[in-house]
Amino acid sequence: KAGVTQTPRYLIKTRGQQVTLSCSPISGHRSVSWYQQTPGQGLQFLFEYFSETQRNKGNFPGRFSGRQFSNSRSEMNVSTLELGDSALYLCASSFETGGLSYEQYFGPGTRLTVT
Amino acid sequence: DQQVKQNSPSLSVQEGRISILNCDYTNSMFDYFLWYKKYPAEGPTFLISISSIKDKNEDGRFTVFLNKSAKHLSLHIVPSQPGDSAVYFCAVGTGANNLFFGTGTRLTVIP
Repeated sequence: KAGVTQTPRYLIKTRGQQVTLSCSPISGHRSVSWYQQTPGQGLQFLFEYFSETQRNKGNFPGRFSGRQFSNSRSEMNVSTLELGDSALYLCASSFETGGLSYEQYFGPGTRLTVT
Repeated sequence: DQQVKQNSPSLSVQEGRISILNCDYTNSMFDYFLWYKKYPAEGPTFLISISSIKDKNEDGRFTVFLNKSAKHLSLHIVPSQPGDSAVYFCAVGTGANNLFFGTGTRLTVIP
């Protein structure tokens, strides 16, 4: 079974631009979560989507948004980029049945550098 | 405000000895606890989990201990092997999909 894939793997943007990152979950996984990893803060939860609906949201500004498509693929968008948005963005998917969620499987991440 | 803390950014252990990684959390409502391992240029990989109804869970060389009264989680690796060298993150939450992660501990196992 293929793992979680994220595209692109590396991205360089300038301040003020916007960026869209993509995540394809493991087949059969309908929950997709996004995390930001920085050296000082570790992994911080951005949001989680399930069946095309945002189910949970972390404590990030509205510049960070996402969506999920009917095939469970998800995109994350960051508008008006700031230098502090430079980070590794990780996507994770998990299987859910009967209201029970199981462990998340992470993709390799997208390394975003804002200059 | 960090909900989860891993106070040791790094740990070095001799091959064959025990590695103990620690994690403290603040919210007593958390009921799901996990450890992830991360190699460079890869996403975190699930290692082991424990629910709040247990205080110990074993999987081969890996054992996770939970002390709910102290809000403390630990991972024991015994015997440690060079291939265990990685960054280890603890994660806690009230469900599998809304997790708070620690900042990670870099484990180096010396041959």
